[in-house]
Amino acid sequence: DTEVTQTPKHLVMGMTNKKSLKCEQHMGHRAMYWYKQKAKKPPELMFVYSYEKLSINESVPSRFSPECPNSSLLNLHLHALQPEDSALYLCASSQDAGQNMNTEAFFGQGTRLTVV
Amino acid sequence: AQKITQTQPGMFVQEKEAVTLDCTYDTSDPSYGLFWYKQPSSGEMIFLIYQGSYDQQNATEGRYSLNFQKARKSANLVISASQLGDSAMYFCAMRGGNSGYSTLTFGKGTMLLVSP
Repeated sequence: DTEVTQTPKHLVMGMTNKKSLKCEQHMGHRAMYWYKQKAKKPPELMFVYSYEKLSINESVPSRFSPECPNSSLLNLHLHALQPEDSALYLCASSQDAGQNMNTEAFFGQGTRLTVV
Repeated sequence: AQKITQTQPGMFVQEKEAVTLDCTYDTSDPSYGLFWYKQPSSGEMIFLIYQGSYDQQNATEGRYSLNFQKARKSANLVISASQLGDSAMYFCAMRGGNSGYSTLTFGKGTMLLVSP
């Protein structure tokens, strides 16, 4: 099973709403990632979890709150977002987040988020 | 700091022809990995091929091959016998890092359109 599953696939939310994006993998990977991708742009790294601990936060605003309940699950809690936060949010996982340079990342299909 | 440069915003190729997508990189890390991903309009990032900085041979995966020229810091993707389903955005990425964690840095991408 080489799959990363993200739910929901599409999400429309108001600026006062609270919502969560979910990501699941069953490949035994110990590193999980959140990326944000605007239209016609490359993915931008937001967070890295390694062994269920937050290892990298790329100066992401606090209205985005990641959570890793266990090694298979990764959530992204959203609160008080702005219209400019509308984007494709991609989750990825890899065997590890260390210095093994041939570690490929497996990506989910993403959640297309629209903030109105 | 790592940098990936893809200078071709868009490429056109006829079905069954070969096409080369350019990628150059810059890094001070002695050890790094280079990846190519395909992103169809559905959004999922699909891993295509990997090349390690110490690999002597160019990587190949089916119709995909990577033309790795280390001295020139280039890692071009060659797709042979293009198919209509190859139409997508293609991202070159590099994994490297010296802080104990390695992350993927993406280029801006090349949109490939395959015509009948």
